[in-house]
Amino acid sequence: GAGVSQSPRYKVTKRGQDVALRCDPISGHVSLYWYRQALGQGPEFLTYFNYEAQQDKSGLPNDRFSAERPEGSISTLTIQRTEQRDSAMYRCASSQRDRTFFSDTEAFFGQGTRLTVV
Amino acid sequence: LAKTTQPISMDSYEGQEVNITCSHNNIATNDYITWYQQFPSQGPRFIIQGYKTKVTNEVASLFIPADRKSSTLSLPRVSLSDTAVYYCLVENRGSTLGRLYFGRGTQLTVWP
Repeated sequence: GAGVSQSPRYKVTKRGQDVALRCDPISGHVSLYWYRQALGQGPEFLTYFNYEAQQDKSGLPNDRFSAERPEGSISTLTIQRTEQRDSAMYRCASSQRDRTFFSDTEAFFGQGTRLTVV
Repeated sequence: LAKTTQPISMDSYEGQEVNITCSHNNIATNDYITWYQQFPSQGPRFIIQGYKTKVTNEVASLFIPADRKSSTLSLPRVSLSDTAVYYCLVENRGSTLGRLYFGRGTQLTVWP
C-alpha cells in the first residue's frame, strides 16, 4: 500500500477482554515496529521485527502483550485481559531496510489505533 | 544509547526562522542524529538525519558541530502548519536493537 495502515483506528473494549491490533506495513518493507504513545509523551518502543523474526520484544510491558508477523508482512499486536492502564495510542512503523544494520533508514509510521479500555 | 535533551516547548511567529537545539553529550562514534516531526493525531514523520557538519533538505537544515555533542534543527520561515512536536533521536548504526528512542520532544507553536 501507499503507507502504513493500521486497523481498527479506534477500539473501545471492556476490561478483561482480549484485543488484536493489526498493522499492514508498506509493501516490501523489511522492518516493522510497534510503539505505544500516551498523551503528551513520545512514542514508547514495544517490539520490532525483521521479516518474520521478532528481533526485540524487550519493550513489551508484560506477558499479556504479544506480537507476531508470521509471513513477514502484516503484523498483529495482541493484548490479553486488557486493563485500563493499557489505554493509549498504539502505533506501527515500517522501514525499507533492516535497521539493525542500516540505522540511517527512515521509519514510516501509521495513523495508529486508539485503544480505550473501560 | 545516548540520551537527548531538548526544550519542552518553543514559540515563534510566522515567517521567522526557528532553531531547536538538542544536546546529546554521550553520543558515540557510530551514532547518527535524526529528527522527526509529529502533528496531532498523526504518527511521527522523518524530517532529516545527519552525522556531522551540515545537512539540508527541502524541509530543514541540521547543524552538527565538530564535537557532535549537540545538534540544531533549523526551520526557515515557519508557517502555522509547522506547529508540531519535534523529536531529536540518536541512532546507533549497526546496533542489534534497531529501535528508535523518542523522548518527549519539543512542542513548537507558531503564532500568526
